Amino acid sequence: SAVISQKPSRDICQRGTSLTIQCQVDSQVTMMFWYRQQPGQSLTLIATANQGSEATYESGFVIDKFPISRPNLTFSTLTVSNMSPEDSSIYLCSAGGRPNEKLFFGSGTQLSVL
Amino acid sequence: GDSVTQMEGPVTLSEEAFLTINCTYTATGYPSLFWYVQYPGEGLQLLLKATKADDKGSNKGFEATYRKETTSFHLEKGSVQVSDSAVYFCALSDGGGFKTIFGAGTRLFVKA
Repeated sequence: SAVISQKPSRDICQRGTSLTIQCQVDSQVTMMFWYRQQPGQSLTLIATANQGSEATYESGFVIDKFPISRPNLTFSTLTVSNMSPEDSSIYLCSAGGRPNEKLFFGSGTQLSVL
Repeated sequence: GDSVTQMEGPVTLSEEAFLTINCTYTATGYPSLFWYVQYPGEGLQLLLKATKADDKGSNKGFEATYRKETTSFHLEKGSVQVSDSAVYFCALSDGGGFKTIFGAGTRLFVKA
């Protein structure tokens, strides 16, 4: 079992600024992931945060827009850079220990960009 | 690529009604299948899972059976309660590793 703390829980930001979201897990986990959940839509995987190396991004997401850090086995950050209103969404951190096993989720960051 | 398709919502039921939420998947390998639930104001949490064909996952009165022949994993509950009101996500984890793909989610409202 893992408990994930994610912050901030919500924020309202101005166009062109950047926001960094933090994700802390209460135990060491192998894999950490960042998802985006737009209103009424499914979760879309942004990237896999790899400890000690660059994140692996999914199609349609790039490092310049969504830089990710993972300095250790319990912590990761996602930055949403140069924000536009289209970035308004819920961003979710998740973590998993083993392949094909369940994921644990943070409660999400609700981002609104004006 | 792998994908998950689930029935659109919202689904509105009266308390004690029977629930079915359909889920079908496309995968090249042998995925594990999951149902996650998101209660209002909370993060996603695992409801149940099945890791191979014909497995039945169950939890809190909910059940789903991994049907390889129909590539389905439908969620059922015999008698829903108001407290079951939430968004339900069907998901698969590809056979090779950690990546989990989610369906669009189905919002369930249960009326007293």
